[in-house]
Amino acid sequence: DADVTQTPRNRITKTGKRIMLECSQTKGHDRMYWYRQDPGLGLRLIYYSFDVKDINKGEISDGYSVSRQAQAKFSLSLESAIPNQTALYFCATSSGGGPYNEQFFGPGTRLTVL
Amino acid sequence: AQSVAQPEDQVNVAEGNPLTVKCTYSVSGNPYLFWYVQYPNRGLQFLLKYITGDNLVKGSYGFEAEFNKSQTSFHLKKPSALVSDSALYFCAVRDRDNFNKFYFGSGTKLNVKP
Repeated sequence: DADVTQTPRNRITKTGKRIMLECSQTKGHDRMYWYRQDPGLGLRLIYYSFDVKDINKGEISDGYSVSRQAQAKFSLSLESAIPNQTALYFCATSSGGGPYNEQFFGPGTRLTVL
Repeated sequence: AQSVAQPEDQVNVAEGNPLTVKCTYSVSGNPYLFWYVQYPNRGLQFLLKYITGDNLVKGSYGFEAEFNKSQTSFHLKKPSALVSDSALYFCAVRDRDNFNKFYFGSGTKLNVKP
């Protein structure tokens, strides 16, 4: 089984709809991240969380919110989706204890907002 | 400000030839540097990282990277390319003094032709 899973894998929605993307991990990591990937822009950080009670904004948090329901679960919500939120979204985890620890990524969710 | 640059959107190489994917970085302190690979419809996979010590780092699938502090570069290399190496490659940096975030480059598409 995959260590970092994301649901759904693909989603098409309409402008103005509320959308939730979910991420679960079995790696036991305390740190979780949400990124979006756009062609030619690489990955941009939306939100990150170092534990259940710690939520931090990334570089592009406007229009998004998150919830860390448990150590293993980190959800991303688009309260009112707009077309420029069409992108590939990745969840990632890393262990604490040192900044040299790499991140582990989920398979991604491809979101299309019409 | 922290940043990573991958100056080439695409690199083409013939199978069996050596390959280089370039990365330069800018951080305020000493960096932790990472390379990831993304295959189609998959999440990013960790390849290798530089923490400290030897400037030549060896990673997965025969890849290696050379850290050059004076040129602020961390180029990814492989002595003999395989068609299966064709993928999107991302360089990432983490600032030791502010290790909360990873900064990703825009990605380089590697095409290895038979």
